[in-house]
Amino acid sequence: DGGITQSPKYLFRKEGQNVTLSCEQNLNHDAMYWYRQDPGQGLRLIYYSQIVNDFQKGDIAEGYSVSREKKESFPLTVTSAQKNPTAFYLCASSMGSGSLYEQYFGPGTRLTVT
Amino acid sequence: SQELEQSPQSLIVQEGKNLTINCTSSKTLYGLYWYKQKYGEGLIFLMMLQKGGEEKSHEKITAKLDEKKQQSSLHITASQPSHAGIYLCGARYPGSSNTGKLIFGQGTTLQVKP
Repeated sequence: DGGITQSPKYLFRKEGQNVTLSCEQNLNHDAMYWYRQDPGQGLRLIYYSQIVNDFQKGDIAEGYSVSREKKESFPLTVTSAQKNPTAFYLCASSMGSGSLYEQYFGPGTRLTVT
Repeated sequence: SQELEQSPQSLIVQEGKNLTINCTSSKTLYGLYWYKQKYGEGLIFLMMLQKGGEEKSHEKITAKLDEKKQQSSLHITASQPSHAGIYLCGARYPGSSNTGKLIFGQGTTLQVKP
């Protein structure tokens, strides 16, 4: 079955620790995205990658970092510099970024930092 | 102020009733996507609209985009408990046509009472 997997489903960390969220897709999609969802605010774009070994900042990139070493993988690191890291994180992918391709979403990771 | 506004924020309807969710943009869209989300899960793609005046239907859900490409509506006919969830609209704008970047509305939470 083709799709996007995110792991783990729930993640708990202490303040000051970096944490990496996994995102893997087997859809052979070129473009991948990371969004953050907070109650009442919809989704906000953190980072996106249009092709392997290339990525760009989204609207709220501060305190986050990504890598795109393989086409199928786009991990997100939440660093200790992120002031409000507790949120629901969603990874998405699309066939490309130029045309109006739909984005397919993973099941999400809920991160709680205390 | 939000670039993409959804209304209402929440909706409770009796099973069998019709309902409409609106999505209004402050500027002309390149494309408009509708997604559905169960709480704590990923987004499921419903429909994408690109042309002014376009209308698409899937089962009991119909989405329309106005001629000016600034407003979209999602209409559910004869609602069922399975329609319950969060509905989100996402917009692509002409300036971001090569990035695949989506701007999301805040979401509309729908409850359907049996």
